[in-house]
Amino acid sequence: NAGVTQTPKFQVLKTGQSMTLQCAQDMNHEYMSWYRQDPGMGLRLIHYSVGAGITDQGEVPNGYNVSRSTTEDFPLRLLSAAPSQTSVYFCASAITGGLALGAQFFGPGTRLTVL
Amino acid sequence: RKEVEQDPGPFNVPEGATVAFNCTYSNSASQSFFWYRQDCRKEPKLLMSVYSSGNEDGRFTAQLNRASQYISLLIRDSKLSDSATYLCVAMYSSASKIIFGSGTRLSIRP
Repeated sequence: NAGVTQTPKFQVLKTGQSMTLQCAQDMNHEYMSWYRQDPGMGLRLIHYSVGAGITDQGEVPNGYNVSRSTTEDFPLRLLSAAPSQTSVYFCASAITGGLALGAQFFGPGTRLTVL
Repeated sequence: RKEVEQDPGPFNVPEGATVAFNCTYSNSASQSFFWYRQDCRKEPKLLMSVYSSGNEDGRFTAQLNRASQYISLLIRDSKLSDSATYLCVAMYSSASKIIFGSGTRLSIRP
């Protein structure tokens, strides 16, 4: 099992560019989520999905879109990159079922710099 | 005020020592709690869940104090490999309310 995979590992964008961060998992988890991690801020939830076709906003959704057409994939789209979106992005998955959501499996992260 | 607060550290302790750190949460509606470990420039990994009655996993003990709204992590006989950042997590019933603390950095010296 590969677990949770993310591509690319590193990315540099110019302000205003758009791009998609890819996330895939092979554990058949219904729940998937995207976080960003900034120094001193901890991990903050951007968007999450409890199953194919279902997505919802987390704490910091502005500037990001997601879709979930399959159980395995959960891409994150940056619509028009801004320097404030410079961060490390983590995708995670978990078994759906009440409090089990707190036990999440994370991908290796994407380090994004917006100039 | 952050919903989940941790002392950022660093805690610098000698190998073999016992070290403990706390995490406070502000929302009494929090229902479950977890400790994650994150190595430098790596992804967070689940260390252990925190049960109301307290729980132990080898050298690690987690405690929950609902009255004072904090959780704790105790590491006994610390190893060099325990050096990492430890993140606490509070979760509410809604899938959108999973709150990570910003982490406590632990450094074990030989």
